Amino acid sequence: AQSVTQPDIHITVSEGASLELRCNYSYGATPYLFWYVQSPGQGLQLLLKYFSGDTLVQGIKGFEAEFKRSQSSFNLRKPSVHWSDAAEYFCAVGAGDTGRRALTFGSGTRLQVQP
Amino acid sequence: DGGITQSPKYLFRKEGQNVTLSCEQNLNHDAMYWYRQDPGQGLRLIYYSQIVNDFQKGDIAEGYSVSREKKESFPLTVTSAQKNPTAFYLCASKTGFSGVQPQHFGDGTRLSIL
Repeated sequence: AQSVTQPDIHITVSEGASLELRCNYSYGATPYLFWYVQSPGQGLQLLLKYFSGDTLVQGIKGFEAEFKRSQSSFNLRKPSVHWSDAAEYFCAVGAGDTGRRALTFGSGTRLQVQP
Repeated sequence: DGGITQSPKYLFRKEGQNVTLSCEQNLNHDAMYWYRQDPGQGLRLIYYSQIVNDFQKGDIAEGYSVSREKKESFPLTVTSAQKNPTAFYLCASKTGFSGVQPQHFGDGTRLSIL
Protein backbone atom coordinates (compact mmCIF):
# COMPACT_ATOMS: atom_id res chain seq x y z
CA ALA A 1 0.00 0.00 0.00
CA GLN A 2 1.17 3.49 -0.70
CA SER A 3 2.03 6.01 2.00
CA VAL A 4 3.11 9.63 2.22
CA THR A 5 5.26 11.32 4.84
CA GLN A 6 5.50 15.04 5.37
CA PRO A 7 8.20 15.38 8.02
CA ASP A 8 7.54 19.02 8.89
CA ILE A 9 4.31 19.67 10.76
CA HIS A 10 4.82 23.42 10.93
CA ILE A 11 7.18 25.79 9.08
CA THR A 12 7.63 29.53 9.50
CA VAL A 13 9.34 31.64 6.85
CA SER A 14 9.74 35.35 6.30
CA GLU A 15 7.92 37.02 3.45
CA GLY A 16 10.17 37.09 0.40
CA ALA A 17 12.24 34.12 1.56
CA SER A 18 12.42 30.86 -0.35
CA LEU A 19 10.39 27.84 0.68
CA GLU A 20 10.80 24.09 0.44
CA LEU A 21 8.22 21.66 1.83
CA ARG A 22 9.28 18.05 2.03
CA CYS A 23 7.32 15.03 0.90
CA ASN A 24 8.44 11.40 0.83
CA TYR A 25 6.32 8.63 -0.59
CA SER A 26 6.27 4.88 -0.56
CA TYR A 27 4.84 3.11 -3.59
CA GLY A 28 5.99 0.08 -5.56
CA ALA A 29 5.49 1.44 -9.05
CA THR A 30 5.70 4.86 -10.65
CA PRO A 31 3.51 7.07 -8.52
CA TYR A 32 1.15 9.83 -9.44
CA LEU A 33 2.00 12.71 -7.12
CA PHE A 34 0.05 15.79 -6.17
CA TRP A 35 0.40 18.87 -4.01
CA TYR A 36 -2.70 20.56 -2.63
CA VAL A 37 -3.13 23.72 -0.56
CA GLN A 38 -5.84 24.35 2.01
CA SER A 39 -6.78 27.70 3.51
CA PRO A 40 -8.51 27.60 6.92
CA GLY A 41 -12.05 26.28 6.73
CA GLN A 42 -11.80 25.66 3.01
CA GLY A 43 -11.44 22.72 0.68
CA LEU A 44 -8.24 21.66 -1.05
CA GLN A 45 -6.94 23.34 -4.18
CA LEU A 46 -4.62 21.52 -6.57
CA LEU A 47 -1.22 23.22 -6.92
CA LEU A 48 0.47 20.78 -9.27
CA LYS A 49 0.78 17.15 -10.25
CA TYR A 50 3.38 14.74 -11.62
CA PHE A 51 2.75 11.52 -13.48
CA SER A 52 5.49 11.22 -16.10
CA GLY A 53 8.03 13.14 -18.16
CA ASP A 54 9.97 16.11 -16.88
CA THR A 55 10.72 15.63 -13.21
CA LEU A 56 10.42 19.34 -12.48
CA VAL A 57 6.79 20.41 -12.67
CA GLN A 58 5.38 23.88 -12.54
CA GLY A 59 2.15 24.71 -10.80
CA ILE A 60 -0.07 27.61 -9.98
CA LYS A 61 0.84 30.56 -7.75
CA GLY A 62 4.54 30.27 -8.62
CA PHE A 63 5.04 26.84 -7.02
CA GLU A 64 7.14 24.04 -8.46
CA ALA A 65 8.01 20.53 -7.35
CA GLU A 66 10.73 18.08 -8.26
CA PHE A 67 10.25 14.34 -8.46
CA LYS A 68 13.32 12.38 -7.36
CA ARG A 69 12.82 8.67 -7.78
CA SER A 70 16.10 7.75 -6.07
CA GLN A 71 15.02 9.59 -2.94
CA SER A 72 11.29 8.79 -3.18
CA SER A 73 10.66 12.48 -2.78
CA PHE A 74 8.45 15.14 -4.30
CA ASN A 75 9.38 18.39 -2.57
CA LEU A 76 7.46 21.59 -3.16
CA ARG A 77 9.35 24.85 -3.67
CA LYS A 78 8.72 28.52 -4.15
CA PRO A 79 11.49 31.11 -4.71
CA SER A 80 9.80 33.97 -2.85
CA VAL A 81 6.95 33.49 -0.41
CA HIS A 82 4.05 35.92 -0.15
CA TRP A 83 1.93 36.47 2.95
CA SER A 84 -1.03 34.96 1.08
CA ASP A 85 0.81 31.63 0.89
CA ALA A 86 0.13 30.99 4.57
CA ALA A 87 -1.97 27.82 4.57
CA GLU A 88 -1.71 24.08 5.02
CA TYR A 89 -0.06 22.04 2.29
CA PHE A 90 -0.75 18.40 1.56
CA CYS A 91 1.23 15.98 -0.54
CA ALA A 92 -0.69 13.02 -1.98
CA VAL A 93 0.03 9.92 -3.99
CA GLY A 94 -2.38 8.23 -6.37
CA ALA A 95 -2.36 4.57 -7.28
CA GLY A 96 -1.33 3.70 -10.80
CA ASP A 97 -4.13 1.22 -11.36
CA THR A 98 -7.78 2.15 -11.59
CA GLY A 99 -7.42 4.87 -9.01
CA ARG A 100 -10.27 3.34 -7.08
CA ARG A 101 -8.56 3.87 -3.79
CA ALA A 102 -8.52 7.59 -4.28
CA LEU A 103 -5.52 9.46 -2.98
CA THR A 104 -3.34 8.79 0.03
CA PHE A 105 -2.50 12.03 1.80
CA GLY A 106 0.32 13.06 4.06
CA SER A 107 -0.54 14.65 7.38
CA GLY A 108 0.13 18.13 6.06
CA THR A 109 2.55 20.99 6.69
CA ARG A 110 1.24 24.25 8.07
CA LEU A 111 3.05 27.27 6.65
CA GLN A 112 3.22 30.51 8.58
CA VAL A 113 4.60 33.62 6.87
CA GLN A 114 6.20 36.37 8.94
CA PRO A 115 6.12 39.96 7.68
CA ASP B 1 -19.21 27.74 -13.07
CA GLY B 2 -18.70 24.05 -12.49
CA GLY B 3 -17.79 22.82 -9.08
CA ILE B 4 -18.60 20.80 -6.00
CA THR B 5 -21.12 22.10 -3.49
CA GLN B 6 -21.18 20.82 0.05
CA SER B 7 -23.94 21.75 2.47
CA PRO B 8 -24.40 22.76 5.13
CA LYS B 9 -21.13 24.47 5.97
CA TYR B 10 -21.70 23.84 9.69
CA LEU B 11 -23.75 21.04 11.25
CA PHE B 12 -24.51 20.05 14.80
CA ARG B 13 -25.50 16.58 15.90
CA LYS B 14 -27.27 15.54 19.03
CA GLU B 15 -26.48 12.27 20.75
CA GLY B 16 -28.18 9.31 19.05
CA GLN B 17 -29.04 11.32 15.95
CA ASN B 18 -28.21 10.56 12.33
CA VAL B 19 -27.21 13.50 10.16
CA THR B 20 -26.70 13.73 6.41
CA LEU B 21 -24.09 15.82 4.64
CA SER B 22 -24.85 16.84 1.08
CA CYS B 23 -22.39 16.77 -1.83
CA GLU B 24 -23.40 17.81 -5.35
CA GLN B 25 -21.16 18.23 -8.37
CA ASN B 26 -21.87 19.64 -11.83
CA LEU B 27 -18.52 18.67 -13.34
CA ASN B 28 -19.90 15.48 -14.91
CA HIS B 29 -17.32 13.54 -12.94
CA ASP B 30 -17.60 9.79 -12.62
CA ALA B 31 -15.96 9.17 -9.27
CA MET B 32 -16.82 10.76 -5.96
CA TYR B 33 -15.19 10.50 -2.54
CA TRP B 34 -15.76 11.37 1.09
CA TYR B 35 -12.85 12.20 3.39
CA ARG B 36 -12.66 13.00 7.05
CA GLN B 37 -10.09 15.51 8.24
CA ASP B 38 -8.87 15.71 11.82
CA PRO B 39 -6.10 18.04 13.02
CA GLY B 40 -2.66 16.57 12.40
CA GLN B 41 -3.99 13.50 10.60
CA GLY B 42 -4.42 14.63 7.03
CA LEU B 43 -7.38 13.26 5.11
CA ARG B 44 -8.75 9.77 5.62
CA LEU B 45 -11.02 8.07 3.09
CA ILE B 46 -14.51 7.14 4.30
CA TYR B 47 -16.31 5.96 1.13
CA TYR B 48 -15.90 6.28 -2.60
CA SER B 49 -18.03 5.63 -5.65
CA GLN B 50 -16.99 5.15 -9.25
CA ILE B 51 -20.42 4.80 -10.83
CA VAL B 52 -24.06 5.28 -9.96
CA ASN B 53 -25.54 2.70 -7.59
CA ASP B 54 -22.10 1.45 -6.60
CA PHE B 55 -19.82 2.49 -3.75
CA GLN B 56 -16.97 1.03 -1.73
CA LYS B 57 -15.77 1.38 1.83
CA GLY B 58 -12.64 3.34 2.48
CA ASP B 59 -10.33 3.14 5.46
CA ILE B 60 -12.73 4.44 8.13
CA ALA B 61 -16.25 3.51 6.96
CA GLU B 62 -17.61 2.34 10.33
CA GLY B 63 -20.45 4.54 11.52
CA TYR B 64 -21.03 6.09 8.10
CA SER B 65 -23.26 5.29 5.14
CA VAL B 66 -23.60 6.66 1.61
CA SER B 67 -25.76 6.40 -1.49
CA ARG B 68 -25.15 7.18 -5.15
CA GLU B 69 -28.52 7.33 -6.86
CA LYS B 70 -27.48 10.08 -9.25
CA LYS B 71 -24.16 10.84 -10.90
CA GLU B 72 -24.17 14.36 -9.48
CA SER B 73 -24.92 13.48 -5.86
CA PHE B 74 -23.10 11.52 -3.14
CA PRO B 75 -24.62 12.20 0.29
CA LEU B 76 -22.92 10.99 3.46
CA THR B 77 -24.88 9.96 6.56
CA VAL B 78 -23.12 10.05 9.89
CA THR B 79 -24.98 7.56 12.03
CA SER B 80 -25.33 7.33 15.78
CA ALA B 81 -22.87 4.43 15.63
CA GLN B 82 -20.07 6.91 14.87
CA LYS B 83 -18.98 7.76 18.39
CA ASN B 84 -16.53 10.50 17.51
CA PRO B 85 -18.07 12.37 14.58
CA THR B 86 -16.61 15.81 15.28
CA ALA B 87 -14.44 16.57 12.25
CA PHE B 88 -14.21 18.45 8.97
CA TYR B 89 -15.73 16.44 6.11
CA LEU B 90 -14.59 16.92 2.54
CA CYS B 91 -16.22 15.66 -0.62
CA ALA B 92 -14.21 15.25 -3.82
CA SER B 93 -14.77 14.11 -7.36
CA LYS B 94 -12.74 13.35 -10.44
CA THR B 95 -13.22 12.37 -14.05
CA GLY B 96 -12.42 8.84 -15.12
CA PHE B 97 -10.88 6.10 -13.04
CA SER B 98 -7.18 6.57 -13.63
CA GLY B 99 -4.95 7.56 -10.77
CA VAL B 100 -3.43 10.30 -12.92
CA GLN B 101 -6.54 12.44 -12.73
CA PRO B 102 -6.57 14.90 -9.84
CA GLN B 103 -9.45 15.18 -7.44
CA HIS B 104 -11.46 18.35 -7.08
CA PHE B 105 -12.72 19.28 -3.63
CA GLY B 106 -15.71 21.02 -2.13
CA ASP B 107 -15.37 23.56 0.67
CA GLY B 108 -16.25 21.08 3.39
CA THR B 109 -18.77 20.64 6.20
CA ARG B 110 -17.75 21.02 9.82
CA LEU B 111 -19.67 18.66 12.07
CA SER B 112 -19.82 19.16 15.82
CA ILE B 113 -21.59 17.45 18.69
CA LEU B 114 -24.13 19.35 20.77
